[in-house]
Amino acid sequence: DGGITQSPKYLFRKEGQNVTLSCEQNLNHDAMYWYRQDPGQGLRLIYYSQIVNDFQKGDIAEGYSVSREKKESFPLTVTSAQKNPTAFYLCASSLPGTRLNTIYFGEGSWLTVV
Amino acid sequence: RKEVEQDPGPFNVPEGATVAFNCTYSNSASQSFFWYRQDCRKEPKLLMSVYSSGNEDGRFTAQLNRASQYISLLIRDSKLSDSATYLCVVNNAGNMLTFGGGTRLMVKP
Repeated sequence: DGGITQSPKYLFRKEGQNVTLSCEQNLNHDAMYWYRQDPGQGLRLIYYSQIVNDFQKGDIAEGYSVSREKKESFPLTVTSAQKNPTAFYLCASSLPGTRLNTIYFGEGSWLTVV
Repeated sequence: RKEVEQDPGPFNVPEGATVAFNCTYSNSASQSFFWYRQDCRKEPKLLMSVYSSGNEDGRFTAQLNRASQYISLLIRDSKLSDSATYLCVVNNAGNMLTFGGGTRLMVKP
């Protein structure tokens, strides 16, 4: 079945460490996104990519980095510069240019700093 | 002012009740609108798109008021399984989705 796979589902990080969250999709979507969600809050956009080898900062990109070397993959690195990384991270993809498009989410990754 | 605003709730209602949520958006150029449902510790899932003429899907009715820049979701005959957080989502130019903070609904027996 087509879908978006995020891994790991749960991740614990020590302060000062970089960690990378994986996101893979087999939906043949051009656009991919990373969102962060804090408890009781909505989703905030970290980075997005509309096409391979291109990506743009979202609203809260500081302390994060991404790459888009392949259409199906959009990994997110949470760097040590991100001062409050504990959150729920959601990867998503969509077809661009569709007026009534929908966005498809992975199951999310929980990151906790210990 | 947030781009998409929702009352966070929680809305506590008995089974069988009718409940309505509103969501306001600030960008008058917003192109399309959605309601997503998010269960605790899960990813959001599309509940329904919102069309200009209003649309209904079973017990759920969505409406759009472009003049006042708000959308609404009405749930009739609430079920226990409707308990979740409902996210208002607005699609602006360039295929960028902006999410509201969500409204939490708790349906009690």
